[in-house]
Amino acid sequence: GESVGLHLPTLSVQEGDNSIINCAYSNSASDYFIWYKQESGKGPQFIIDIRSNMDKRQGQRVTVLLNKTVKHLSLQIAATQPGDSAVYFCAENNQAGTALIFGKGTTLSVSS
Amino acid sequence: GAGVSQSPSNKVTEKGKDVELRCDPISGHTALYWYRQSLGQGLEFLIYFQGNSAPDKSGLPSDRFSAERTGGSVSTLTIQRTQQEDSAVYLCASSLSPGLSPYEQYFGPGTRLTVT
Repeated sequence: GESVGLHLPTLSVQEGDNSIINCAYSNSASDYFIWYKQESGKGPQFIIDIRSNMDKRQGQRVTVLLNKTVKHLSLQIAATQPGDSAVYFCAENNQAGTALIFGKGTTLSVSS
Repeated sequence: GAGVSQSPSNKVTEKGKDVELRCDPISGHTALYWYRQSLGQGLEFLIYFQGNSAPDKSGLPSDRFSAERTGGSVSTLTIQRTQQEDSAVYLCASSLSPGLSPYEQYFGPGTRLTVT
């Protein structure tokens, strides 16, 4: 079935370090992937997206890498800050193209 | 501009009662989505509305769940005869057009439903 998973439920880093959050997806036909950030008590917030015809996309302090061969997605956060502490979800489009399928999330904790 | 708003922010109800959750999408967004997030879990797709097209209801977990979108704007998610397993945060999202940036969905803060 359709599913998106994450490798680690939690990740702890020091302020200033680079963070890498990984995600494995199962649907090789997916053509769109997104990373969302969810802070406590809030809805998910869009971070960055990537289409399947790309393998890398950069934003402000964030980079998403897509490896379609092994169906792996990662989010890299440069110079992690305490404000980056949140739960990070990867998501892929469903087969109907009508919604997103979310993984379970990785909780990023940044200590100063 | 205003983001997606949802009401109520919290709802406590007794098992067996019906509840209605409301979502006001961003003005001009034609697509609207409902998701459910159980404690410590990812988001589970429930239903999708796009313009005047028939909604995609494939994610609704049972016939106790229904949703409508009036006038292409406000949406209401109704859960009848609530069960304890319905306890979760119900999130609404909207997007400008699924054909352009199809999945850049903007989420509301959610309604936390607790069934006792």
